[in-house]
Amino acid sequence: EAQVTQNPRYLITVTGKKLTVTCSQNMNHEYMSWYRQDPGLGLRQIYYSMNVEVTDKGDVPEGYKVSRKEKRNFPLILESPSPNQTSLYFCASSQGFGRKTEAFFGQGTRLTVV
Amino acid sequence: AQTVTQSQPEMSVQEAETVTLSCTYDTSENNYYLFWYKQPPSRQMILVIRQEAYKQQNATENRFSVNFQKAAKSFSLKISDSQLGDTAMYFCAFRTKPISNFGNEKLTFGTGTRLTIIP
Repeated sequence: EAQVTQNPRYLITVTGKKLTVTCSQNMNHEYMSWYRQDPGLGLRQIYYSMNVEVTDKGDVPEGYKVSRKEKRNFPLILESPSPNQTSLYFCASSQGFGRKTEAFFGQGTRLTVV
Repeated sequence: AQTVTQSQPEMSVQEAETVTLSCTYDTSENNYYLFWYKQPPSRQMILVIRQEAYKQQNATENRFSVNFQKAAKSFSLKISDSQLGDTAMYFCAFRTKPISNFGNEKLTFGTGTRLTIIP
């Protein structure tokens, strides 16, 4: 089954404690991206990757890091989480290269930073 | 920069009725894609329907159809014969088609419309 898998689905952490949210896709997609969803703001892009070792900032990259060492994995790293990073996070993947195919989303990770 | 506006934060409709969700967008691009995504309480983002800007014909997927007005930059979603399972948050989204076919394929989302189907 084609899918994007995120882990964990729920996470409560304390300010400053490094964490990683994993994302993996099994569709051999070139393009992957992270979004955060906040009430009244919709989804906003954090980082994206067009291919292995090719990543770039989205609209709200402050406080986040990513890496793309393998095509299937695109982890989101919060080196020193702060309460304003409390949000719902989505990983998404698509074929890339401008193809018209849809983006597939993971199940979401609800992160609370206290 | 592209923007997407959904002016209806919440809507409700009786089961089996028809409902239309509005979406407008702003862009200077000529080639792009438009999407409607559904987010039920499970939080999963589910693609409902997709429209390519160069196609004049409105997209249709079973009970879901769109009214795409390119000149007016409007992209509304019509749900016919609404069902209880249609209760969800609906997001309109925009994506440019990179000229080089190798660029950011960012989805720009509206703020969503929370739709409730009343039994």
